[in-house]
Amino acid sequence: DVKVTQSSRYLVKRTGEKVFLECVQDMDHENMFWYRQDPGLGLRLIYFSYDVKMKEKGDIPEGYSVSREKKERFSLILESASTNQTSMYLCASSFGWTGELFFGEGSRLTVL
Amino acid sequence: DAKTTQPNSMESNEEEPVHLPCNHSTISGTDYIHWYRQLPSQGPEYVIHGLTSNVNNRMASLAIAEDRKSSTLILHRATLRDAAVYYCILGGGGANSKLTFGKGITLSVRP
Repeated sequence: DVKVTQSSRYLVKRTGEKVFLECVQDMDHENMFWYRQDPGLGLRLIYFSYDVKMKEKGDIPEGYSVSREKKERFSLILESASTNQTSMYLCASSFGWTGELFFGEGSRLTVL
Repeated sequence: DAKTTQPNSMESNEEEPVHLPCNHSTISGTDYIHWYRQLPSQGPEYVIHGLTSNVNNRMASLAIAEDRKSSTLILHRATLRDAAVYYCILGGGGANSKLTFGKGITLSVRP
């Protein structure tokens, strides 16, 4: 079974903390994505990566950075968490650009 | 990026067919039409995608208008488990082409 695993289902952090959200896929996919999902706004793309060490900004990259040192792992970093970054974060991967996106179960982050 | 327009919500009865519409009047020639759905408390899952011709798989059918400016996802017999948010998305037309999700359409299924 194909699998995208997000390191934490639930996190609670304080304003100003540095937050790492980790995502690992076991399908040898080239492309990996980070989305956030908020009520009434749907899924919004934060960053994506189409190869190791490569990254592209999505629609809402402000306040986030990413790291892809290995093909199977894509990390989302909040350098200084703020309350407006409280959200559900979803990681996905795909093989090629017309193929199916596989999503993880999501990480619900609360910033106090 | 080309955008899609979907109704906010739709209701259907169990065991009846459901037609979920999507408008994408600014679609480019290389954009694929993708559909995903998201069940409560889960990440989205792939349903179907196509380029020009109608497509069928075990989950659903995708009917694409001849001018490609609209499409319809067809669930042949709705079940309670099909109650979800369905997203119609354009993309996958080339290198670095990202899939941008909108708000989707919330499908409710009545027993």
